[in-house]
Amino acid sequence: DADVTQTPRNRITKTGKRIMLECSQTKGHDRMYWYRQDPGLGLRLIYYSFDVKDINKGEISDGYSVSRQAQAKFSLSLESAIPNQTALYFCATSDGARGLAENNEQFFGPGTRLTVL
Amino acid sequence: KNEVEQSPQNLTAQEGEFITINCSYSVGISALHWLQQHPGGGIVSLFMLSSGKKKHGRLIATINIQEKHSSLHITASHPRDSAVYICAALISSGSARQLTFGSGTQLTVLP
Repeated sequence: DADVTQTPRNRITKTGKRIMLECSQTKGHDRMYWYRQDPGLGLRLIYYSFDVKDINKGEISDGYSVSRQAQAKFSLSLESAIPNQTALYFCATSDGARGLAENNEQFFGPGTRLTVL
Repeated sequence: KNEVEQSPQNLTAQEGEFITINCSYSVGISALHWLQQHPGGGIVSLFMLSSGKKKHGRLIATINIQEKHSSLHITASHPRDSAVYICAALISSGSARQLTFGSGTQLTVLP
């Protein structure tokens, strides 16, 4: 079984609809992240969470919200989807224990391809 | 100017060739992350390194912190190595450390 899973894997929706993307992990990591990837651009951070009570905005949080329901679950919501939110969305996790920078290695889910018409 | 730049953007090689992908960054970093994105979109972590060199199979990653440069080498390349290779710099921002990603290098290895 995959360590980081995302649902759904593909979604087509219409402008104005509310969408939730879900991420679950079995790695036991405290830190979870949501990224989006657009053609020709690098991955960009939307939100991140270092534990259940800690939520932080990333580079491009406008139009998105998140919920950390448990250590293993981190969901991303688009309250009112718009076409320029069409992208590939990735969830990732890391251990991030204090100390070695290399503990920040991130492990990615398979991605969710979202199309907003 | 992007804080993390990769070169080349696209690379085509013949099977068996030695391949080098470069990553430069403009700020101080804690570590450098190399990732591989498969044609289907999935992303796999290859290396996270803060100094020196790491090797895993036919893949070698090196980093020179002073020169703000890292390289990913693939020896005896194979068509299954065809993918997008992404470097990401771990940069301190306040009390947190975040990854800043390059835009990737598309590698195609021809049989």
